[in-house]
Amino acid sequence: KAGVTQTPRYLIKTRGQQVTLSCSPISGHRSVSWYQQTPGQGLQFLFEYFSETQRNKGNFPGRFSGRQFSNSRSEMNVSTLELGDSALYLCASSLAGQGGSGANVLTFGAGSRLTVL
Amino acid sequence: DAKTTQPNSMESNEEEPVHLPCNHSTISGTDYIHWYRQLPSQGPEYVIHGLTSNVNNRMASLAIAEDRKSSTLILHRATLRDAAVYYCILRDNTGKLIFGQGTTLQVKP
Repeated sequence: KAGVTQTPRYLIKTRGQQVTLSCSPISGHRSVSWYQQTPGQGLQFLFEYFSETQRNKGNFPGRFSGRQFSNSRSEMNVSTLELGDSALYLCASSLAGQGGSGANVLTFGAGSRLTVL
Repeated sequence: DAKTTQPNSMESNEEEPVHLPCNHSTISGTDYIHWYRQLPSQGPEYVIHGLTSNVNNRMASLAIAEDRKSSTLILHRATLRDAAVYYCILRDNTGKLIFGQGTTLQVKP
């Protein structure tokens, strides 16, 4: 079965612009979470969506936002880009239920690599 | 958020077993212990997870200490393809995965 698909894989933006990244989860997976990976900070949790609702949020400024559609596809948006937003943005999906569970396994996409100039 | 501590790097010879340690002294009763690995230029990949009992799957084994304050990922026969960054993570029922810095495993032929 198809894995988690992230688009675009690579993109270059300039400071002040905004960017939208897309994530298509594995069929049947209703939970989608997003992570930012940088050499200095490692992998950091951004947010998680389940059934079109944000269920969890990490410690990122309001410039980072996301949403989930009824087909479980998700997008994240970063507005007013800064140089420090250059990173690999990873999306993961899981079979999480309504209440969530620590046992749920995540499947990650290959990521979208954003470079801000 | 409960944290994990792992060595920055480890080396192994090909076809030998590898034991990757992880300390999680602040683990709570409902936290699952997950291991993921990340190969260069790829997203993290699930390896194994457990709650209290030791676990085995086709990729690895997970040994969990009786007090759950530490665990060890065991790769029974390391191959060159196992060279990656290995992350030990505590996952609670909120949906978050809090990653540490991970252990970079080098496998020598």
